[in-house]
Order: sequence, then structure tokens, then C-alpha cells
Amino acid sequence: DTGVSQDPRHKITKRGQNVTFRCDPISEHNRLYWYRQTLGQGPEFLTYFQNEAQLEKSRLLSDRFSAERPKGSFSTLEIQRTEQGDSAMYLCASSSGPSGPYEQYFGPGTRLTVT
Amino acid sequence: DAKTTQPNSMESNEEEPVHLPCNHSTISGTDYIHWYRQLPSQGPEYVIHGLTSNVNNRMASLAIAEDRKSSTLILHRATLRDAAVYYCILRADGGSQGNLIFGKGTKLSVKP
Repeated sequence: DTGVSQDPRHKITKRGQNVTFRCDPISEHNRLYWYRQTLGQGPEFLTYFQNEAQLEKSRLLSDRFSAERPKGSFSTLEIQRTEQGDSAMYLCASSSGPSGPYEQYFGPGTRLTVT
Repeated sequence: DAKTTQPNSMESNEEEPVHLPCNHSTISGTDYIHWYRQLPSQGPEYVIHGLTSNVNNRMASLAIAEDRKSSTLILHRATLRDAAVYYCILRADGGSQGNLIFGKGTKLSVKP
């Protein structure tokens, strides 16, 4: 296994368009996280899946954002009616455990630019 | 998860050791100390974690103060590739959520 992968790596879209990002976690990891990172800041948590169940959403995840993880494998993050403020790096991470001693493994991210 | 405090930036010379400090005075007994780093234009990368005892791995060493209110990430011989933002994060054991709470971290510059 080569780690967490994300697709696409870069996305440029016009304001108002919908975009969808994909994350493929490490295969044996049942926990999957989405984060967003803007320039000069650390990543901020968006949402979290345990297997196929979405267990937690940050208040940063507005109604225009939706995430899925069908069958507990890959995950998608969709942003509807994009706004310029959505421009950021979207990071996916996976883990084999919930907290404490369990590390998270991050993908390379998808950089979104909304024009 | 409890809050951590790190210097905004540090500089090091190549092939010299680097000690990156982190203060976490409000740490609780079940909090693990994690370090991640983020190289330019990449996702964060796990470096090391510990609970009470000092830890070593192929990337770094983690020295934890006896009262656990501070810790130090040690890079034994800095290379240019170690230039990154280093994040110190506390993670409570037994929590159901498990997301990482990142601060601004320490930006490490390595001079040749």
C-alpha cells in the first residue's frame, strides 16, 4: 500500500460551480478525516468517518459541503455553489484508531482555487 | 484536546542537531504528545508520539519533561529536507472523535 491518495491534486473552478474531491485511505484504516488548510494556517478539521458512518462534522462544514464514504472505503467531498472563500487545500487523512496513540496518515491534498 | 505553545520560527544549520520546544502546561494524564511536520506543498506527516517516556524512531527523538508540561522534538542532524512546519499536538486517549487540532506550529529553516 502506497499511502493515502487524493484526486485531483489541483482544481480551478469558477464561482458557483460544484466540485468533488476523492480520497483513497490506507486500505486497513477504518477512520477517515477531512481537513481544510488556508495559507499560513494549520489544517482545520471538517469531518470524520468511522467505516461508512459520518460521526462528526465541524461547524466549518456549511450546508454547501457534503461528504460520503460508501462501503467504508474511499471518500468524496463535494462543495456546491463554490465561493471564493472556499479556496484552500483540502486534506484527507486516515487512521487505524480513534485517538491517543494512533497516528494519522495524510494525503498530498487537493488545492482548490475558486475564481 | 489541550492547547500547546510553540515558537513561531527557528533556524538551524545543516548537519547540526535541532531542538524544537513545545509547552503544554494544561496536559491531562491521558493526553498523548504527537508531532507532525508539513513540508512545503505537502500534507502533514507523522513524526513521533509519546505519553510519558522519551521515544526514539528513525526520524527523531521526543524528550518529555518529568511533569509532562513540556516536550522537545529532537532532530539529531538537520538536513535541508527537514525544513518544514512542525506541529506539536495533544491527543486524548479514549476519545471518540480523534481529529487533530493544529496550531500554527514552528517553521524550521535549515541553512546549508
